[in-house]
Amino acid sequence: AQSVTQPDIHITVSEGASLELRCNYSYGATPYLFWYVQSPGQGLQLLLKYFSGDTLVQGIKGFEAEFKRSQSSFNLRKPSVHWSDAAEYFCAVGGSGGGADGLTFGKGTHLIIQP
Amino acid sequence: NAGVTQTPKFQVLKTGQSMTLQCAQDMNHNSMYWYRQDPGMGLRLIYYSASEGTTDKGEVPNGYNVSRLNKREFSLRLESAAPSQTSVYFCASSQDTSLNYEQYFGPGTRLTVT
Repeated sequence: AQSVTQPDIHITVSEGASLELRCNYSYGATPYLFWYVQSPGQGLQLLLKYFSGDTLVQGIKGFEAEFKRSQSSFNLRKPSVHWSDAAEYFCAVGGSGGGADGLTFGKGTHLIIQP
Repeated sequence: NAGVTQTPKFQVLKTGQSMTLQCAQDMNHNSMYWYRQDPGMGLRLIYYSASEGTTDKGEVPNGYNVSRLNKREFSLRLESAAPSQTSVYFCASSQDTSLNYEQYFGPGTRLTVT
């Protein structure tokens, strides 16, 4: 069975500083990987996804993520955070069929932005 | 374009009561999903439907039933609500082709069982 670990429950970053959120997955074959963001009281919005090809993927709102098969990781990065980036971030993995039988989510990382 | 809609937005039930959560999508997607979100647990899959007329259990199906009424609608039913089912419920849909596996989420239903 697949699994996702987000080691950091909370991260605090100063506005304008760089950000990296960690995600490690467990899956036997090539995974389908996703990062979602959830603002308070809202649903989930897709930031970016990796299926194949270039291991550095670009997403919305200036986010990027790098797939590293050797480390089973898919870390999310942003060079300069804005106060509006404060939210909950979820990494997810889809198995065979790209997640047609559902996604497995990590427990989330709560991002706090300091002024 | 409404995307994925869910009703109701909030609901309070007493233990033992029943209710149905409604979900509809207008993107002509084949697959639909129900997840629950609990503090510190992320989202966990309850049931999914890969196409009209088919449903399958996810990670936490106990206490729930689902119906894929047609391609647009996928409902989640709690026959006898329990306090452990207090959660936020999200419906999602996806096209599920080789081009796009992205799941689109609704705004959620916050359910409290007392």
